[in-house]
Amino acid sequence: DTGVSQNPRHKITKRGQNVTFRCDPISEHNRLYWYRQTLGQGPEFLTYFQNEAQLEKSRLLSDRFSAERPKGSFSTLEIQRTEQGDSAMYLCASSSTRGKNTEAFFGQGTRLTVV
Amino acid sequence: GNSVTQMEGPVTLSEEAFLTINCTYTATGYPSLFWYVQYPGEGLQLLLKATKADDKGSNKGFEATYRKETTSFHLEKGSVQVSDSAVYFCALSVALGDTGRRALTFGSGTRLQVQP
Repeated sequence: DTGVSQNPRHKITKRGQNVTFRCDPISEHNRLYWYRQTLGQGPEFLTYFQNEAQLEKSRLLSDRFSAERPKGSFSTLEIQRTEQGDSAMYLCASSSTRGKNTEAFFGQGTRLTVV
Repeated sequence: GNSVTQMEGPVTLSEEAFLTINCTYTATGYPSLFWYVQYPGEGLQLLLKATKADDKGSNKGFEATYRKETTSFHLEKGSVQVSDSAVYFCALSVALGDTGRRALTFGSGTRLQVQP
């Protein structure tokens, strides 16, 4: 396993367009998190899945954002009608509730630029 | 709520200098504490962690001690190298609610620049 994989690495889109990002977690990890990181700031929590269930969403996740993890493996994050304020790095992390090592492992992120 | 405050950067040091990056936190409940590092063009990597008071996390010459009385988790290294140049994030996690999620709350990051 090569770790958490995110695609695409970079996305430039025009304001008002929809975008979708994909995250492939570490295969045995049952928890998956999405974070958003803007320039000069630390990552902020967006949403969390345990297996296929979305158990929590931050107030940062407006109605234009939706996330899925249909089979408890990969996850997608969709942003509809993008706005310039959506420009950020979107990070995915995964972790396991089993065993001793429960730390979150991060992907390299998808950098979104809305023009 | 939960929050993490860390010193603003950039911190610029010469090679072999001593490093301290301050981090303090507020948390509901009993948090675990972490330092993550982000090298240019790469994702966040866990550097070290501590899960209870007085624990010392260490890795790659970096150390941090969980101080509950001062709600601090300062990062230190005795002799920095150019390859340590990166952004360092202090973070905490607390198991919350029925889901038991342990999402991380991050500080704003401190950029370290080490000059040869």
